[in-house]
Amino acid sequence: SQTIHQWPATLVQPVGSPLSLECTVEGTSNPNLYWYRQAAGRGLQLLFYSVGIGQISSEVPQNLSASRPQDRQFILSSKKLLLSDSGFYLCAWSVWVSGQETQYFGPGTRLLVL
Amino acid sequence: SQQGEEDPQALSIQEGENATMNCSYKTSINNLQWYRQNSGRGLVHLILIRSNEREKHSGRLRVTLDTSKKSSSLLITASRAADTASYFCATDAYSGAGSYQLTFGKGTKLSVIP
Repeated sequence: SQTIHQWPATLVQPVGSPLSLECTVEGTSNPNLYWYRQAAGRGLQLLFYSVGIGQISSEVPQNLSASRPQDRQFILSSKKLLLSDSGFYLCAWSVWVSGQETQYFGPGTRLLVL
Repeated sequence: SQQGEEDPQALSIQEGENATMNCSYKTSINNLQWYRQNSGRGLVHLILIRSNEREKHSGRLRVTLDTSKKSSSLLITASRAADTASYFCATDAYSGAGSYQLTFGKGTKLSVIP
């Protein structure tokens, strides 16, 4: 069966420090991968998606970047964190079920920038 | 603004009662999905309804879709304390390059009181 991992689960970082969040998927090949952010009390916002190795699309201009060095690895990064980067970050992969694409989410990383 | 908007923002009911949450959206969709998020945790996919379907059931869940009104409802029957969570609707949009993204609403926070 497929499994998606995210780490760390929680992270407290000072403003201006770098960031690296990792997401890996097991049990599937060539998945579409996604990074979402959920700010406190708000819905999900799509940050990046990837349809293959080295292929990254950015949905929202921001302080973050993403990379996909391997088929089942998706990394979210920042060179200098801002206070506004605080939030809950979710990685997701997608699968086709009955002709429709459905996304499955990892456990998330809670980031607090101080 | 968000594509999917849930209503109400918060709902508190007694165990055993039914809970109804609504979602409205603005543009044409391919399908609509409902997700649950327990506090501080990742999203769990509940049910997907296609644009050509009007109603779908899964256990105690019943989802309806009215494309003429651009709205959907999620009904949880015989609620349990374990149903306490935030519920999100998500609509799809094709983004090209073989992928599509889900756009999420802000969610309805459901509290089921034992």
